[in-house]
Formats: sequence, structure tokens, C-alpha cells
Amino acid sequence: AQTVTQSQPEMSVQEAETVTLSCTYDTSESDYYLFWYKQPPSRQMILVIRQEAYKQQNATENRFSVNFQKAAKSFSLKISDSQLGDAAMYFCAYRSQNRDDKIIFGKGTRLHILP
Amino acid sequence: DAGVTQSPTHLIKTRGQQVTLRCSPISGHKSVSWYQQVLGQGPQFIFQYYEKEERGRGNFPDRFSARQFPNYSSELNVNALLLGDSALYLCASSSGMGFSTDTQYFGPGTRLTVL
Repeated sequence: AQTVTQSQPEMSVQEAETVTLSCTYDTSESDYYLFWYKQPPSRQMILVIRQEAYKQQNATENRFSVNFQKAAKSFSLKISDSQLGDAAMYFCAYRSQNRDDKIIFGKGTRLHILP
Repeated sequence: DAGVTQSPTHLIKTRGQQVTLRCSPISGHKSVSWYQQVLGQGPQFIFQYYEKEERGRGNFPDRFSARQFPNYSSELNVNALLLGDSALYLCASSSGMGFSTDTQYFGPGTRLTVL
């Protein structure tokens, strides 16, 4: 069975600084998808960034980028120029490349932005 | 376009009762997935329905059941409620085609409290 581990329950970063959230996963599959989701307080879960395992190039979305190390089964999220609106719970997540939509989530990292 | 909608927003039940939660997917989406998010944890996959058929099931007891209607909306039923069923129940919709770019969009959730 696949597992996703986020070892940082909480992190804080100064506004405009850069922060990196860590994630490791375990799988025996060779093809899969990885995601970072953001869940602001009392608001809906939204997708921040996705990575296909077959792609060597790290995904980027504006201020958000990932460091995908397939051999190490590591998938970290870097947030540059942190903004107050980035404060949220961030979940690392895994999906197999099969028919169903089942997403396996980590326990999350709560990110605080310090003004 | 309206996003994923869920009803009710909040619900309070007592142990042993039964509850029905509802979800309407984004227009054009044929897949609905249900997740349980216990406080302080990441969401856990319960079910996926695609074209009114169950496509995936998580590790939940038979007290949990779901169905999808011809208009692709879905209901999640939980019987014989236990205190441990208290959680945020999230619904997510997608096209269901399984492509790497197929994003799951989450609803705001239903907060269930079991007393």
C-alpha cells in the first residue's frame, strides 16, 4: 500500500521569505501522480501543483515549485515570496495511475506567515 | 460555473442514528469521490462513483454506503453512527477520465458531529 509522510506538523515563515515543505512517500509503482493541496482555514481544498512521476522536470506554478526526487521518493514544495494568503494547511498527496481517483493524503503541514 | 456544492454545511446527530450527505459535482463532471477528514488529519478516501457505478472503495466499514444519480450528484449514507464518525466529509468531482491533467475539485465539506 502507498503511504505519504509529512514530518513537519507546523512551520512558520516571514512574509516575502521562502519556505520549503517536506514530503516523502512510499510506493512500489513506477507511474503515479503527486500533488500539493492547500486548505485555508474554513475554506475549500484547492490544488496547488501537480507532478507526473514520468516527468523528470520539476513542476512550477508561479511562486510554487517542487523538488521531485523519484529515487529518494521525496516531493518537497517551495513557496517563494511568501504572502499572508499562503497561510493554510498544506497536504502532500499521491494518486496511482489507474482507473480510480483515490488520492492518498499526508497528515498535513500547517504553514503560518509572519507579517 | 458553480463549483462542487455540498449539503448540509453542518449536521449534529446522536450515536446510532443515520445520516445522508449530498454532493453536486461541477457541471460536466461524471465522477464523484467522498473523503473523510478527521480533525488534524488528512482526508481519507471513502468511495468513488463514476457513471453511477462504484469505481473505488476505501477501507471503511459497511455502515458507509453511497450512490450516484443520473444527474451525477451523489449521496453518502452512514448508518449506526459512532462518535468516531465525527469529521468533515469532503466531496470531490472530476471528469473521471483518469488523465494526468484530470483535477479533482473539492467542495466545502459537511461537518458532522456525533454526540
